Order: sequence, then C-alpha cells, then structure tokens
Amino acid sequence: QKEVEQNSGPLSVPEGAIASLNCTYSDRVSQSFFWYRQYSGKSPELIMSIYSNGDKEDGRFTAQLNKASQYVSLLIRDSQPSDSATYLCAVRGTDSWGKLQFGAGTQVVVTP
Amino acid sequence: NAGVTQTPKFQVLKTGQSMTLQCAQDMNHNSMYWYRQDPGMGLRLIYYSASEGTTDKGEVPNGYNVSRLNKREFSLRLESAAPSQTSVYFCASSEASGLAGTDTQYFGPGTRLTVL
Repeated sequence: QKEVEQNSGPLSVPEGAIASLNCTYSDRVSQSFFWYRQYSGKSPELIMSIYSNGDKEDGRFTAQLNKASQYVSLLIRDSQPSDSATYLCAVRGTDSWGKLQFGAGTQVVVTP
Repeated sequence: NAGVTQTPKFQVLKTGQSMTLQCAQDMNHNSMYWYRQDPGMGLRLIYYSASEGTTDKGEVPNGYNVSRLNKREFSLRLESAAPSQTSVYFCASSEASGLAGTDTQYFGPGTRLTVL
C-alpha cells in the first residue's frame, strides 16, 4: 500500500470552476503536509503548506487538513488555464526529519 | 540568486557507463536531497544529506552513490548505469534550521537521463 495516495486524473475542470484534489496518507503521526505544482517538463514548485487541522487559504488556493481521517485536500477556485499542471501531495512524518513522502500526483486540465 | 542548479539538463548513457550529476544551491541551506521521478511513481528519495559531512540512504539507493562536497554542492554518481535508471532526477535543498515540521524543500530544474 502506498503511503501517500492521490487520484492520478486527469481531472478536467471548466475555466472559472473549482478544482478539488484529494490526498490520503497512511502514517497516522504525520505532522506536515505540502502541495507542489509541477508543470510538464518542469520541477515541482511549492504552493501550499499546512500543519494544523482546518483550512488554510492563500489567494485562489485553499488547503484542508483532517488528521483524524488522514486526508489533505487542495481547492483551486476560479480555475485558470495556467492552473493546468500536475499537483503533488507531500507528507512529512515525525520519525523522518526533513524527509518527505510524495504521492504520484493528480493531473489537472482546465478547459476554456 | 539562482536557487538550486543542476547539470547536465539531459544525458544519454549506454548500459555500464558511469556519470555524475551535479547539484549546487546558493541559499545557504543545510540539507540537500536527490530524487528520481518516474511516470506513475511520484518522487522517490534516493539519498539525502541532512547537513554538511553527512549522507544517508533514502527509499531507492541501490546503484547510486553521493558526495556532499561542501555546504553548497551535492553530487549523485551512477557507477554502472542500467536501463532501469532511466528517469528524471531532481535535486532539492532545505534550510533545516531545526523547525523540522515547517522545513520547505526547493527543487532544481532536473536532469533527464536515458540509459540505452
């Protein structure tokens, strides 16, 4: 069983709509959670980090964390064609200082 | 600031050849990492260096060696390349100042390696 699971997609989203991405993790003691965006042929770029249960908003992005249910999600509001990319979920546990476990990523395609 | 730089950007090797991938960061970060990315597999950690002078194995270290040359530079060596090592390799660095939970990794542009 993978430690960090994401739907591979592609997730097709009309321009202006909300894209909803989910990520589940298996290590119950995980403490830190990150969302990276990766354009095709490029390197991952951090867009959100979240450490506490609840919601965290940054511009059009909202990360949601539920440690009891072991999932973290990312909402992209008012989706734009420039949001078309693969979104990687990354999780850090308490027993692996500095190290991250990555999901395989969800591909998002925003259609005009 | 250039951030994290990697050389080369592309490389084609024949089975059995050796090569070294170079990585450097100018952010005065303590920790550095090497990942490989394969389709459908996400990023997998090969080796990491928590601080200058230390290196540790990650999830998929077989067939690789690393050297933390100084605080800025972290190289990855393939001694005898195999087709299974065809992948995209990313170097990353993080401050690792002690607040482990909030430590953020920044990635280089990647090296696309093909082993024939």
